[in-house]
Amino acid sequence: GQQVMQIPQYQHVQEGEDFTTYCNSSTTLSNIQWYKQRPGGHPVFLIQLVKSGEVKKQKRLTFQFGEAKKNSSLHITATQTTDVGTYFCAGYRHSNYQLIWGAGTKLIIKP
Amino acid sequence: EPEVTQTPSHQVTQMGQEVILRCVPISNHLYFYWYRQILGQKVEFLVSFYNNEISEKSEIFDDQFSVERPDGSNFTLKIRSTKLEDSAMYFCASKLRTTSTDTQYFGPGTRLTVL
Repeated sequence: GQQVMQIPQYQHVQEGEDFTTYCNSSTTLSNIQWYKQRPGGHPVFLIQLVKSGEVKKQKRLTFQFGEAKKNSSLHITATQTTDVGTYFCAGYRHSNYQLIWGAGTKLIIKP
Repeated sequence: EPEVTQTPSHQVTQMGQEVILRCVPISNHLYFYWYRQILGQKVEFLVSFYNNEISEKSEIFDDQFSVERPDGSNFTLKIRSTKLEDSAMYFCASKLRTTSTDTQYFGPGTRLTVL
């Protein structure tokens, strides 16, 4: 079945360093969404990318959708303690009903 | 801002017992979902529900699971005979429209512990 692979599983950074997580789908996605889940919390929608090659920014976060609509990335510049959590990508199958989730990348700020 | 609510926040049950997890989606939303997240793992799709019937379900959603919208506001997930491996966080989500570009709004989740 269709899978969304996400790497890395964990990323330890010093506060102020950058963070990047990558998602890759086995098949073309109709769109891709990014969620953030704080420890003990529920997934919170961050953004959606629909168009091939699309790039969107939210303050220090930059989201990209690949030209083939099979891969995506999230880059955080100059991480802060408030960025801690797990970042999930999730892509829609063309059926519209089922969101296929990546395994998530946990952002950990080193003390 | 309207939000999805779920009750209870934590449910502890004995293996083999039935549990019902409850969700109140955002009032004007039309699509409803249940997801499961085993501790520390990825979010897994269970089922989607539209127009009072299941739209799609995953291989996890076997005969032990059922969903219902009994009264136009609640959306429930029933597990008939719980197993140890059903222990997980269960999230309900709702979406306004049919298009895949619509945002899904998640509830806070119910932590199910099966002993």
